[in-house]
Amino acid sequence: NAGVTQTPKFRILKIGQSMTLQCTQDMNHNYMYWYRQDPGMGLKLIYYSVGAGITDKGEVPNGYNVSRSTTEDFPLRLELAAPSQTSVYFCASSLRDRDPGAFFGQGTRLTVV
Amino acid sequence: GESVGLHLPTLSVQEGDNSIINCAYSNSASDYFIWYKQESGKGPQFIIDIRSNMDKRQGQRVTVLLNKTVKHLSLQIAATQPGDSAVYFCAEKLGGGGNKLTFGTGTQLKVEL
Repeated sequence: NAGVTQTPKFRILKIGQSMTLQCTQDMNHNYMYWYRQDPGMGLKLIYYSVGAGITDKGEVPNGYNVSRSTTEDFPLRLELAAPSQTSVYFCASSLRDRDPGAFFGQGTRLTVV
Repeated sequence: GESVGLHLPTLSVQEGDNSIINCAYSNSASDYFIWYKQESGKGPQFIIDIRSNMDKRQGQRVTVLLNKTVKHLSLQIAATQPGDSAVYFCAEKLGGGGNKLTFGTGTQLKVEL
């Protein structure tokens, strides 16, 4: 049982480039989330999804897009990378609405130069 | 304890001592709280949770205390071990449905031999 898998683990982007951070979970969880974590800070919610075909903005959605075409996958898209998007990105999933003790992936460390 | 800022609060304890990590949460409407442990280079790992209708919950070597009057949460780790060295985050979920967590800044726990 792999849990939550994120790829890539590391990436360096140039300003203005685009990329997709992949996230997949094999636990059949309805709820999936994307967070970013800046150095020495807590996690901030970018986007979340309560099920396939349904997504909603979190606290810091600007500069990002998501889609949820299947229960398993929840990719995060950066269209025009900016230095302010240098961060560690975590994907998470959880089973129930009332019990978001989420399972987290290992993270993607992104640097925009 | 938790604080908002660019530096991470640090708690240093001797191996075998008990650790107490504090968190001041922000919203009196929050009805669910989680403590996470994050080791260097890894994603957050669920430790223990508590609902707002409780004031104490115990796990294996860990206890969470909730004081809703002053909006304070604490994590107690008994007989702290070197493997407990990590950053600890509290997170809160607003009541009324939805599944979004708001994370605190985190506390670095260092266990000295």
